[in-house]
Amino acid sequence: EPEVTQTPSHQVTQMGQEVILRCVPISNHLYFYWYRQILGQKVEFLVSFYNNEISEKSEIFDDQFSVERPDGSNFTLKIRSTKLEDSAMYFCASAQGLAGVTDTQYFGPGTRLTVL
Amino acid sequence: GEDVEQSLFLSVREGDSSVINCTYTDSSSTYLYWYKQEPGAGLQLLTYIFSNMDMKQDQRLTVLLNKKDKHLSLRIADTQTGDSAIYFCAESFYGGATNKLIFGTGTLLAVQP
Repeated sequence: EPEVTQTPSHQVTQMGQEVILRCVPISNHLYFYWYRQILGQKVEFLVSFYNNEISEKSEIFDDQFSVERPDGSNFTLKIRSTKLEDSAMYFCASAQGLAGVTDTQYFGPGTRLTVL
Repeated sequence: GEDVEQSLFLSVREGDSSVINCTYTDSSSTYLYWYKQEPGAGLQLLTYIFSNMDMKQDQRLTVLLNKKDKHLSLRIADTQTGDSAIYFCAESFYGGATNKLIFGTGTLLAVQP
């Protein structure tokens, strides 16, 4: 069964460094998402992406964040200058469509980001 | 605003039924979802219900939706130790070109042997 994959599974970085989190969505999906979960807190929406552009972003998704689909398979989240409070589990999700059951989002296993 | 709430913890004995409850605020959601998160793992889609349905059954899982009270529940029949996990309900919001999911706080289900 097709699944969303994410790399790396765990990333440790120093404050102020740039990180890129990578995701490979399910191949026939068109809608892509990033969410994050700070330890012990809710899963929060960060950004959605469709047709090579951001569709919606949350207040969390400030200028330090960017997303890209550099080729036909990868979907990346870049944090330019990491802060301690960026430490969280980051989940990528993809959906086939927008209407009906095709709207269902399938999640990757997550990347745990630790900022020291 | 958008808000989804769940009770934090539920403990049951193996073989009993578990009922996990969720309340939400926005009645315009088209679909509501249940996801399962095992320790250290990602979010696994368990089941979903369309907002014009009252009930959906999927093997051991039964989802009940009360739109009037904005209440969603997940019943797991014959709960097993492998069902121990955090269960999240989520509602889907249309943001113009894509949908975003608003998640509840998550309910930790502990199954005692």
